[in-house]
Amino acid sequence: AQRVTQPEKLLSVFKGAPVELKCNYSYSGSPELFWYVQYSRQRLQLLLRHISRESIKGFTADLNKGETSFHLKKPFAQEEDSAMYYCALGSRDDKIIFGKGTRLHILP
Amino acid sequence: EAGVVQSPRYKIIEKKQPVAFWCNPISGHNTLYWYRQNLGQGPELLIRYENEEAVDDSQLPKDRFSAKRLKGVDSTLKIQPAELGDSAVYLCASRNTWAPQDNEQFFGPGTRLTVL
Repeated sequence: AQRVTQPEKLLSVFKGAPVELKCNYSYSGSPELFWYVQYSRQRLQLLLRHISRESIKGFTADLNKGETSFHLKKPFAQEEDSAMYYCALGSRDDKIIFGKGTRLHILP
Repeated sequence: EAGVVQSPRYKIIEKKQPVAFWCNPISGHNTLYWYRQNLGQGPELLIRYENEEAVDDSQLPKDRFSAKRLKGVDSTLKIQPAELGDSAVYLCASRNTWAPQDNEQFFGPGTRLTVL
């Protein structure tokens, strides 16, 4: 079964501290993983995808097929990073399956 | 550009009443998605259109939900009759499938439905 698990509903981190939002997936085949973000009063938008292997707003995510994980990381949290973050899995039939999301709260 | 447009933004109805949502995708995007997002959950796909064809409606509760995408542009999603459990945010998204190297879905602001 295709599944995305985000174990933390809420993550509070002090400004300047490192951030790691956890995501594990279940998928038979080559997965396509994404992180979406929703800032307060804004629409859901793509943050990054694993095939791009790029850093967006200081965030990176590495696909670990051995651990079936795609954790989102940032070395130094900023207050504007406070948002809902959704890990998502793209399947062969063009579906995207979202996790339940993690609310990241950056403390001053 | 306005991006994906949805209306209304909010809707409050009593149970057993009908309700309809409208979505206008980004110009040129041939793929359109309707998602439902319950409180505390991620979006869940209801239906996907390629142009005017519904290519995946396996998660759409067909006894009360229906959708149309006439002329392969804008789309409507209807619930009739609405139930209390239908209270959720209904999201529309679009994608340009003709650019496979860029499979990003662009989301609208959503319609927040409250069924009383």
